[in-house]
Order: sequence, then structure tokens, then C-alpha cells
Amino acid sequence: DSGVTQTPKHLITATGQRVTLRCSPRSGDLSVYWYQQSLDQGLQFLIQYYNGEERAKGNILERFSAQQFPDLHSELNLSSLELGDSALYFCASSVEGTGALVTDTQYFGPGTRLTVL
Amino acid sequence: AQKITQTQPGMFVQEKEAVTLDCTYDTSDPSYGLFWYKQPSSGEMIFLIYQGSYDQQNATEGRYSLNFQKARKSANLVISASQLGDSAMYFCAMREGDESNDYKLSFGAGTTVTVRA
Repeated sequence: DSGVTQTPKHLITATGQRVTLRCSPRSGDLSVYWYQQSLDQGLQFLIQYYNGEERAKGNILERFSAQQFPDLHSELNLSSLELGDSALYFCASSVEGTGALVTDTQYFGPGTRLTVL
Repeated sequence: AQKITQTQPGMFVQEKEAVTLDCTYDTSDPSYGLFWYKQPSSGEMIFLIYQGSYDQQNATEGRYSLNFQKARKSANLVISASQLGDSAMYFCAMREGDESNDYKLSFGAGTTVTVRA
């Protein structure tokens, strides 16, 4: 158990819908990262938050957004869902997340498997 | 350009034998970190081992060791005394440091390891 929790574990929805994925980082971790794992694109970084503020953005679609709350939990919102958004979405957390600290290990949650029908 | 390359899509290993998983990386940043993660069929991502670009010695964690050859830009994972529970997908990942403005992990495509009894 990494200490990172994600809910829900599975989500099945229809095209055009909106869903919210939730993540609670490990105790003491200030950074939260979101990744998408799909068969065709592999593991892709979406976005990072550090202590409530957006720190870095990756290949995140405009239909997707995220935020980190004062208690450090994070939510990833996916809207106008398409079939191609079906994937495993991971949240990871680390203590710092600043560029100079390359030793900063990211610990992953169990993931949310999203199926868009 | 691909930052992390894992050329072995799948490998078979006999129980109690050692297996080496290849990983090469590409970066111009002098400061970087290399990580290996294990993803069993259940889906979670489990951190295994870390190697920093300035580390003089190869990293070891229990049955996992990292064969770090900086000049060749390779960071191969060695699993010794394989167990049935080692059957999983293994990902090599890199985080770049000082010269990077983002904090993401860049992942390879992964290598599937199947341990035979």
C-alpha cells in the first residue's frame, strides 16, 4: 500500500458525460501528479499541483481540468467524454516536486479505470 | 524524441533465476533520476528502485539492483532469484532536474516479465 488513495476504482459512463476522479496523497506529501495510461499512448503525464497551485502541465486536453484543495487532496475533472478517454488514470504524490530534487520519488495510487461507452 | 526506451516487450524467466530488463534514456540535463516501477495484473504501480545521475554506486533494494552505465545512458534493472510474484509489467522512468521546467516522470513502454515455475 503506497498510502495514496484514489476513488472510485472503476467508472463506467457514456460519451458526452462529465466525471470527477478523486485522489488523496500520502500524509506529508505536497505534490500531486495525474497520469493517464492507455494502450495506444502508454503512461502520459497530465498535470502536477504543488501545495494547492498548478506547477506543471503535460499533455492534458482542454476538456480536462484539475485542482488541489487546501487539505491537499486533488480532483481531476473530465468532461465531454469521448471513447478515446477510456484509460487507467493514476494519481501520484511526492514530498516536494521541485525541479532540483530529482530524488523526489512519486508514489502511485491504485488508479481509476474509466470506461467510456 | 523518446526519452526512455525499453526494447524488450516481453520476457520469460525460470523461477529462482535472474533476469535483466533493459532501459536506455536520453537527456541533456546533467541532473536526473531514474526509477523503476512494477505493475502487476491488478494494475497498481509499485515503486521499486531509484538511481540518481550523480550516484557513484549502483542502487540496490533487496532482490532488485540497477546496473547504471552513465556513459551509455543505460539503467538496466536486475531481478535476482525470480519468484512467481515477480510476474508483472516493469516500467523504467526518468525525471529530469535542474534544466527542466516540469516535474513529470517520462515512462518507457514497459517490459512484461513472466516467471515460470
